[in-house]
Amino acid sequence: DIQMTQSPSTLSASVGDRVTITCRASQSISDWLAWHQHKPGEAPKVLIYKASSLESGVPSRFSGSGSGTEFTLTISSLQPDDFATYYCQQYSSPSLTFGGGTKVEIK
Amino acid sequence: EVQLWASGGGLVQPGGSLRLSCSASGFTFSTSAMHWVRQAPGKGLEWVSVISGSGDGTYYADSVKGRFTISRDNSKNTLYLQMNSLRAEDTAVYYCAKADCSRIGCKRFDLWGRGTLVTVSS
Repeated sequence: DIQMTQSPSTLSASVGDRVTITCRASQSISDWLAWHQHKPGEAPKVLIYKASSLESGVPSRFSGSGSGTEFTLTISSLQPDDFATYYCQQYSSPSLTFGGGTKVEIK
Repeated sequence: EVQLWASGGGLVQPGGSLRLSCSASGFTFSTSAMHWVRQAPGKGLEWVSVISGSGDGTYYADSVKGRFTISRDNSKNTLYLQMNSLRAEDTAVYYCAKADCSRIGCKRFDLWGRGTLVTVSS
């Protein structure tokens, strides 16, 4: 299976901060990468697909970049609704795999 | 409104069985491949299985192969996960997710449902 490694695992930030989360794949996945937001007790939400395409309805402060093995999710100006856990996910191989998650906490 | 919601979770003894359901609304169910993903307590997300829109293709994670069976009833807009020979390590919240096309190889999620908790314990 392709291993996905996210960093950091926890991030403390303030409203208005620019936030960047990194995801590395154990082998090249081209741009078959998605980012998901998950809040406790809720359904996860798709933010980004194909590494940099914004899912419909997702605010433009979210952006994704990268290809091959290195990817980033950026939140340009953190809002109160953005405090959550973020997961990267590769969908290059038949067995899908997720990163370990990055919890964005209030500083 | 386009939505999914999983149900059927509960407490089951090791070695027991449970069937989860995922009900869909707001879209043409048969045109979407469907996935199950789980999250063990305090852990990250783990993909479990996928089924094609027509139901003629399935694929499983190695951790559940031979024990879990994914199926669907397109007339009822419902996805299922039959879980047999359950183990403590199967304890998790189980989520269903919709793919953006119907083939077995459709792996881009465009919608998640709320999960249902499965606890395997004696």
